[in-house]
Amino acid sequence: NAGVTQTPKFQVLKTGQSMTLQCAQDMNHNSMYWYRQDPGMGLRLIYYSASEGTTDKGEVPNGYNVSRLNKREFSLRLESAAPSQTSVYFCASRVTSGNSYEQYFGPGTRLTVT
Amino acid sequence: GDSVTQMEGPVTLSEEAFLTINCTYTATGYPSLFWYVQYPGEGLQLLLKATKADDKGSNKGFEATYRKETTSFHLEKGSVQVSDSAVYFCALSISGGSNYKLTFGKGTLLTVNP
Repeated sequence: NAGVTQTPKFQVLKTGQSMTLQCAQDMNHNSMYWYRQDPGMGLRLIYYSASEGTTDKGEVPNGYNVSRLNKREFSLRLESAAPSQTSVYFCASRVTSGNSYEQYFGPGTRLTVT
Repeated sequence: GDSVTQMEGPVTLSEEAFLTINCTYTATGYPSLFWYVQYPGEGLQLLLKATKADDKGSNKGFEATYRKETTSFHLEKGSVQVSDSAVYFCALSISGGSNYKLTFGKGTLLTVNP
């Protein structure tokens, strides 16, 4: 199993450009998540998808859109990138184990907006 | 709302020293508690977890005990190694919550010197 994969690993954008971050998981998990990580802020939830066909906003959704293409794939789109979106983006998927909710993370996409 | 507060770093130790990273939480429900570790340039990995009061999670020599009376989940290791250098995140998830999201602390950078 590859687990959670993300592409690209690195990206540099100019202000106003658009791009899509791709995420896929091969663990047959129902739920998927997008987080951003900024220095001193921990991880903050952008959007999540509890199951195929549903998406919901997290803590910091402004400036982003998502698509749950199928059970495996969950993409994050920046329509008009801004310097404030410079961050490391992590995708995760969730397994239910007993009564806990473990998440498995991808390796991250490091995005710089100039 | 739910929140996690963890000890601010950075923490610098010599090899074989004792490690404690404090973590306290506030939660509206009955949380599961996690410690995640992020090695340089990588995504987050689950280190250990506890799902109910007085549970002790353990892995790779690290331990943490779920203390409901003090709302704490402190991470400890008796003898750290250089390879333990990483960022450590405390997190919670509410069992039965509507979105199953993880709430993270801000992370603690640990550096272990030879």
